[in-house]
Amino acid sequence: SQTIHQWPATLVQPVGSPLSLECTVEGTSNPNLYWYRQAAGRGLQLLFYSVGIGQISSEVPQNLSASRPQDRQFILSSKKLLLSDSGFYLCAWSVLADRGYNSPLHFGNGTRLTVT
Amino acid sequence: GNSVTQMEGPVTLSEEAFLTINCTYTATGYPSLFWYVQYPGEGLQLLLKATKADDKGSNKGFEATYRKETTSFHLEKGSVQVSDSAVYFCALISGSRLTFGEGTQLTVNP
Repeated sequence: SQTIHQWPATLVQPVGSPLSLECTVEGTSNPNLYWYRQAAGRGLQLLFYSVGIGQISSEVPQNLSASRPQDRQFILSSKKLLLSDSGFYLCAWSVLADRGYNSPLHFGNGTRLTVT
Repeated sequence: GNSVTQMEGPVTLSEEAFLTINCTYTATGYPSLFWYVQYPGEGLQLLLKATKADDKGSNKGFEATYRKETTSFHLEKGSVQVSDSAVYFCALISGSRLTFGEGTQLTVNP
């Protein structure tokens, strides 16, 4: 069965420090991969998605970047964190199902980032 | 573009009450529709799905029917439990992109 691993679970970083959050998926090939952010409150904001190695689409211009060095690995990075980067970061995957429809997204457990 | 609108919360119910959380959508083509649930401090879990018109998704006593004529996908449960307290998200997927509603906080009191 497929599993998704996201780490770390919590992170406290000072303003101006770098960031690296990692997400890996097991049990499937060529998944679509996603990074979402959930700020205070409940809304989810799509940050990046990737349909293949080295293919990254950015949804919102910001201080963050994403990379996909391997088929099932998705990394969220920043060179210098801002206070506004605090939030709950969620990685997710999906695959292209029959008739061109995507399967549901399956989420990791999230990383709670606090920038101080 | 695609959008999802769900009823604003918070919703507070007593145990064994009937639950309805409204969800309507705007989309091109033929999206698939989902309900996700998020328990405190956790990621999102898929609760149920429907991939075409008139499909009914169901899981753990929750149900939702894909209504193309009213572009709706309302979530219902006949008798809620304290353990159902969580945030519920309606979502649609068209192509590779998932669009979420803003979420509805549900609190069930004993």
